[in-house]
Amino acid sequence: GENVEQHPSTLSVQEGDSAVIKCTYSDSASNYFPWYKQELGKGPQLIIDIRSNVGEKKDQRIAVTLNKTAKHFSLHITETQPEDSAVYFCAASKAGNQFYFGTGTSLTVIP
Amino acid sequence: DGGITQSPKYLFRKEGQNVTLSCEQNLNHDAMYWYRQDPGQGLRLIYYSQIVNDFQKGDIAEGYSVSREKKESFPLTVTSAQKNPTAFYLCASSISGGKETQYFGPGTRLLVL
Repeated sequence: GENVEQHPSTLSVQEGDSAVIKCTYSDSASNYFPWYKQELGKGPQLIIDIRSNVGEKKDQRIAVTLNKTAKHFSLHITETQPEDSAVYFCAASKAGNQFYFGTGTSLTVIP
Repeated sequence: DGGITQSPKYLFRKEGQNVTLSCEQNLNHDAMYWYRQDPGQGLRLIYYSQIVNDFQKGDIAEGYSVSREKKESFPLTVTSAQKNPTAFYLCASSISGGKETQYFGPGTRLLVL
């Protein structure tokens, strides 16, 4: 099956700086890559996703890049704010199959 | 409001007891999922259902059971066979069982007395 690895497990940045979280996947047939944000005691919320026919997608301060050859994708958050502090999960899936999640990155934005 | 609801928010289980976690969605989604989340770990799939009256085991189905009698509802029972049930349980749904986005409920935290 698919194996998704996520790094780093914890990340601290100063407010206003950028944060980058990286994930690698093992199954070259995977073609959908969502990112979720989870606040303490709550369910994950989708923040951005990318499909394999696209190399980059941006939504305001959040962007995701995908390198299909290297089988890795990354989440970029610019101009970080304290409310960005949360746990972020990446996932990979292919049509008709389950999602495989990374182990999460705990992001702390220091005011 | 459309969304996914889970109840209760907290649930306590005694040794040898079966407990049932509720998950309801009004998004008209065909597919529903149950995940288990432990501290410092990713989400692990327990069971999923792509259509009413049908469901499949995920990676960690042992000690759990589900039913899908209605499109809107996908309850999860944690049986006494599950020896380490303490965890945060998340229900999700998607339009269908393909590569579409999964939307999550708020979760139920299960604790053992």
